[in-house]
Amino acid sequence: GAGVSQSPSNKVTEKGKDVELRCDPISGHTALYWYRQSLGQGLEFLIYFQGNSAPDKSGLPSDRFSAERTGGSVSTLTIQRTQQEDSAVYLCASSRRQGANQPQHFGDGTRLSIL
Amino acid sequence: ELKVEQNPLFLSMQEGKNYTIYCNYSTTSDRLYWYRQDPGKSLESLFVLLSNGAVKQEGRLMASLDTKARLSTLHITAAVHDLSATYFCAVGYGNKLVFGAGTILRVKS
Repeated sequence: GAGVSQSPSNKVTEKGKDVELRCDPISGHTALYWYRQSLGQGLEFLIYFQGNSAPDKSGLPSDRFSAERTGGSVSTLTIQRTQQEDSAVYLCASSRRQGANQPQHFGDGTRLSIL
Repeated sequence: ELKVEQNPLFLSMQEGKNYTIYCNYSTTSDRLYWYRQDPGKSLESLFVLLSNGAVKQEGRLMASLDTKARLSTLHITAAVHDLSATYFCAVGYGNKLVFGAGTILRVKS
């Protein structure tokens, strides 16, 4: 596709359940990022993947959060034992490489609501 | 830890007027970005600024960067209703972007 694709667009789940969010980056983009956007915290970095290098997980808020990127393309963000404070819009972005002149292109996000 | 501050957080403008949004950041960085977000939509890249004194213009928007002052500005010229959106600055910090809180811009007819 032409842009970053995320699914599902909306997810409502009960507290304590696990959720998986998917991101399909722009073809040819080797760098992939996850952010979340919430009213209280604004836009926060979660994790970064670049090619086959070890991911930068420094933004993950707790060990309930994990992410993987298979084959250098599609990425999945998993939240285990969801809490109400996990409610947010989760945004995925990709760029050609991690370089100064490469803007990150964002998907439409997954709106996650924890009941 | 890098901090990014935008002001104002909310801006209500009349069509045809000019205004500037400011983005201050606390630590040296070699890259700064401006994004636009429409309600319920994702972020659209507007500008990439990489060097001191860089100035970029697109339509009624012009962005500049002063790395010594750690300040970027987004200037709006002769605002039109279509510019109504939330504008974010983001500063490159290692592998990530650190975002400002965003400026909600409303252009009134």
